[in-house]
Amino acid sequence: TQLLEQSPQFLSIQEGENLTVYCNSSSVFSSLQWYRQEPGEGPVLLVTVVTGGEVKKLKRLTFQFGDARKDSSLHITAAQPGDTGLYLCAGGGSQTGANNLFFGTGTRLTVIP
Amino acid sequence: DAGITQSPRHKVTETGTPVTLRCHQTENHRYMYWYRQDPGHGLRLIHYSYGVKDTDKGEVSDGYSVSRSKTEDFLLTLESATSSQTSVYFCAISDAMGSNQPQHFGDGTRLSIL
Repeated sequence: TQLLEQSPQFLSIQEGENLTVYCNSSSVFSSLQWYRQEPGEGPVLLVTVVTGGEVKKLKRLTFQFGDARKDSSLHITAAQPGDTGLYLCAGGGSQTGANNLFFGTGTRLTVIP
Repeated sequence: DAGITQSPRHKVTETGTPVTLRCHQTENHRYMYWYRQDPGHGLRLIHYSYGVKDTDKGEVSDGYSVSRSKTEDFLLTLESATSSQTSVYFCAISDAMGSNQPQHFGDGTRLSIL
C-alpha cells in the first residue's frame, strides 16, 4: 500500500525558475520529513515538520505541512543546478499505527544551467 | 556524514543463491533499518532493529531475514535470491525511534539477480 503520492514525478526547469513539489496522502501523519537524494548516494534529511500548518524555510527552500497533516509541499525559489536530485517525502505515525517512516515515490528534479 | 558503510556496493548473482548484505555503523545508534528502492515505489522498509538481537518486520519482509549480533552491524540475508529482489538496498540508522526522528542513510548496495 502506497500511502504517499508525490507530484510531479519528473520536473525539468531552467536555472532561476521557481517550482513546487507536492506530497499527498489520504492518511494523517504526526510528522513529515523531506529528503534529497543524489545519484549513487543515500537520501539526506532536509527538514522535519510536525505541526499542522507549519512552515519551515531552509535558505531558498520552503516546506509546508498541511493543516490536516495529510499533505506537504516543497517550494524552491530561484532554482540552481545544485538543487538537482530526487526529492523524497516521508511520513511517520500514520493512522496505520506503524511507528516507521513511509516514503513517497519521489520527484526527480533537473535544473538546467 | 554519519559513519555508515554498506558492503558490497554492487553485486550480481544468480537466482536461488544466498546473498548477505552488510551494514556497519560507527555512530553507536540503537536503531538500524533496511530499505529497498525501486522505480515507482520509493523506499520500502524491509526489516528494522531496535537493539542487539531485537528485530522486527517491515512492509516488505517476505524472502528476507536479518541479524544483529553487535550494535554496529546489521546484516540482511536473502536465503534464496529471486529476480524480484533485484533492487538498490539502503541501510539507515537513527539514535531514537519515532516518526519525527531523522534517519541517516548509507550509500546503498546495487543488487542484480539474474
